[in-house]
Amino acid sequence: GAVVSQHPSRVICKSGTSVKIECRSLDFQATTMFWYRQFPKQSLMLMATSNEGSKATYEQGVEKDKFLINHASLTLSTLTVTSAHPEDSSFYICSARLPYNEQFFGPGTRLTVL
Amino acid sequence: DAKTTQPPSMDCAEGRAANLPCNHSTISGNEYVYWYRQIHSQGPQYIIHGLKNNETNEMASLIITEDRKSSTLILPHATLRDTAVYYCIVLGQTDSWGKLQFGAGTQVVVTP
Repeated sequence: GAVVSQHPSRVICKSGTSVKIECRSLDFQATTMFWYRQFPKQSLMLMATSNEGSKATYEQGVEKDKFLINHASLTLSTLTVTSAHPEDSSFYICSARLPYNEQFFGPGTRLTVL
Repeated sequence: DAKTTQPPSMDCAEGRAANLPCNHSTISGNEYVYWYRQIHSQGPQYIIHGLKNNETNEMASLIITEDRKSSTLILPHATLRDTAVYYCIVLGQTDSWGKLQFGAGTQVVVTP
């Protein structure tokens, strides 16, 4: 299957700082990318959908000003957690897909906010 | 998209077939059944998907009932590396964005 990478795999930051997570589709051009969040012992929760060159669509309850998404190219999407707080500590996972095809997921980024 | 119901957990002996059920009684005619799995602390991995015919690939087989209200994922020879949470998801292909909504899934533990 297609390969999706995320960077960094782990990040620890102080409360109040911003953290950027990158998601790349390595061997295909993804018209759509998704960002998920997963808390311990819970399932994945979809945060937002982003299409290349347009604004992201956020799920209900997800603050768009706190979780900034940029999908600047067909192979790169970034998620910036602004002014992170301990409650933002979570496992963030991206996925990428071509239209009418299965999604391929990245390995995830573990964010810990102290 | 239709909701799915899966058992919360299942144990399987190594080398035996694992049969994972999924109910999707409200599935509509244009919705596919997708299966993903997530090994602990990793991103989900695509397994297989189907519309109404049974499907098989190198990882698993998918059996969909004739009325399409339920399906079974079959791992033919489970190994310890198959221990994971398995998610059954119904998704309509009319929406090209294809948002996957994950439920609780089935925690499969393969034992020696």
